[in-house]
Amino acid sequence: EIVLTQSPGTLSLSPGERATLSCRASHSISNGFLAWYQQKPGQAPRLLMFGASTRATGTPDRFSGSGSGSGTDFTLTISRLDPEDFAIYYCQQYGGPDRGTFGQGTKVEVK
Amino acid sequence: VQLVESGGASVQPGRSLRLSCATSGFTFDDYAMHWVRRLPGKGLEWVSGVSWNGIDAYADSVKGRFTISRDNAEKSLHLQMYSLGIDDTALYYCAKEWGGGALDLLFDSWGQGTLVTVSS
Repeated sequence: EIVLTQSPGTLSLSPGERATLSCRASHSISNGFLAWYQQKPGQAPRLLMFGASTRATGTPDRFSGSGSGSGTDFTLTISRLDPEDFAIYYCQQYGGPDRGTFGQGTKVEVK
Repeated sequence: VQLVESGGASVQPGRSLRLSCATSGFTFDDYAMHWVRRLPGKGLEWVSGVSWNGIDAYADSVKGRFTISRDNAEKSLHLQMYSLGIDDTALYYCAKEWGGGALDLLFDSWGQGTLVTVSS
């Protein structure tokens, strides 16, 4: 089973700043099947990105995703934090029932 | 797309519980459906999924204790949970598969969740 480790655990930033979230996989994730979700307090998770770098419907273009050639290092970048972006972000491997694991989450909070 | 869970409750260890998810706004028959839970103080865990044609899959942590089912006529999803333990305490979400009927475990719509508390 692939373990996903997200860092940092908490990111304290101000609106307008750039946020860089990391997700590291214990083994290579094939085909870039890596997704990012956003969850705000009291709300359901929302799919932001899939295929490591493809925005889901409705995801603003200030969000971007990337992955390394090794298939183990992935990044979610928020170019300029909007007040509505302060939330917890989860990465997830997908592609079948033997996958589906989530990272432990990164909380983006107001500094 | 609307997903509305129900059935969550506070139960004692060893008891059973059945969760349901009522859906609308999409062609239910065409999509795989899932249960994902948020564990207290921890993150998200995929629990179980069922393909459009009834093929089911489970996380190791619930295999043999939980049974997922779908009713395409009623456009509903269910999760029968047996032998509940303290570690099953969580907010249980119903989630729709992004790509279609297969179990790819990419979730593009979620309900608001139903709370299951297992405590003596």
